[in-house]
Amino acid sequence: AQSVTQLGSHVSVSEGALVLLRCNYSSSVPPYLFWYVQYPNQGLQLLLKYTTGATLVKGINGFEAEFKKSETSFHLTKPSAHMSDAAEYFCAVSDRRNAGNMLTFGGGTRLMVKP
Amino acid sequence: KAGVTQTPRYLIKTRGQQVTLSCSPISGHRSVSWYQQTPGQGLQFLFEYFSETQRNKGNFPGRFSGRQFSNSRSEMNVSTLELGDSALYLCASSIRTGADGELFFGEGSRLTVL
Repeated sequence: AQSVTQLGSHVSVSEGALVLLRCNYSSSVPPYLFWYVQYPNQGLQLLLKYTTGATLVKGINGFEAEFKKSETSFHLTKPSAHMSDAAEYFCAVSDRRNAGNMLTFGGGTRLMVKP
Repeated sequence: KAGVTQTPRYLIKTRGQQVTLSCSPISGHRSVSWYQQTPGQGLQFLFEYFSETQRNKGNFPGRFSGRQFSNSRSEMNVSTLELGDSALYLCASSIRTGADGELFFGEGSRLTVL
């Protein structure tokens, strides 16, 4: 079975500071990896995903993530935080051996951005 | 184009009742998935439908069921409601089924069970 661990349920950064949200996964084979963002009272929106190829993936809103197989990690970063980045972020995995859409999510990290 | 539409957005039920939630996917999307979001358990996969067939099912009791219609719209039903069923139920659609696909989520149906 797959599992996802997001270290830190709450992360606070100052505007303009580096954002680093951590995600580690457990899976018998390297899964497909995703980061989703959820703004208050809204559904989730895909930030970026890794399926194959280059391990550094760029997404929307200036976010990027790097797949590190040896560390079973897929940390999300952004060089400079903006107030509009305040939201909850979810790391998710899917089993590439599964023909369907079925995501396993981490517990989420709430990002707070201080002015 | 219109996003994923879920109805109703909010509803209150009492224990023992049943509830039906509806999801209209993005036009052209044939896969619909359902997730339950609670503060304690987080986001958990319920099931996925593609071309009216259930493709995957999560670890939920049989009280949770769903279906998909020929126009790709989907409904989920929860019977004999329990307090623990209080949650935000999210529907997501995708053009195709597949583990690498992007899911487009609706804003959810917030169910409160009293």
